[in-house]
Amino acid sequence: RKEVEQDPGPFNVPEGATVAFNCTYSNSASQSFFWYRQDCRKEPKLLMSVYSSGNEDGRFTAQLNRASQYISLLIRDSKLSDSATYLCVVKDTGRRALTFGSGTRLQVQP
Amino acid sequence: DTEVTQTPKHLVMGMTNKKSLKCEQHMGHRAMYWYKQKAKKPPELMFVYSYEKLSINESVPSRFSPECPNSSLLNLHLHALQPEDSALYLCASSGASGDYGYTFGSGTRLTVV
Repeated sequence: RKEVEQDPGPFNVPEGATVAFNCTYSNSASQSFFWYRQDCRKEPKLLMSVYSSGNEDGRFTAQLNRASQYISLLIRDSKLSDSATYLCVVKDTGRRALTFGSGTRLQVQP
Repeated sequence: DTEVTQTPKHLVMGMTNKKSLKCEQHMGHRAMYWYKQKAKKPPELMFVYSYEKLSINESVPSRFSPECPNSSLLNLHLHALQPEDSALYLCASSGASGDYGYTFGSGTRLTVV
């Protein structure tokens, strides 16, 4: 079983749509959670950290369910510029390294 | 613009060559990382340096040799690579715990011929 699992997509959505990505992680000792965005042939960039209480940054909302070991990202009012691969990322307690999911590709269409 | 700088951006090398990838950060971070990323795959951890000491080596072949001369610099020395080592090599840095995520450099795209 992979440590961090994501639906690879692609998700093809029209502009203005709401889209949700899900992610599950296998290590219950994981302590920090992130969503990264990666554009084609570019480096990953931190989109947002994910907190147990849920957090929002503009059109982006992240949720964490520790009991189910499940993380989500909701994007509202999708823009063409949101087209990218979204990586679910987990850091385990005591291990100074991030583990990446395989990524979910989003294509927003006009 | 990224605060983690990697050079060169592109590198083509033969299987008998020796080359080095360089990474520099000016964020005051005390942890630095090398990741390897193949096309359509997520980044895979290679090495972690914490306070300039190697703390994680993910069973990387010895043809890859990391070096951390000081807290701002991280090198990856390459020797006798194989074509399957062609990939995007990403450097990242973080605070000591890594709990607040990493900042990645833009990467070096390596082709081994």
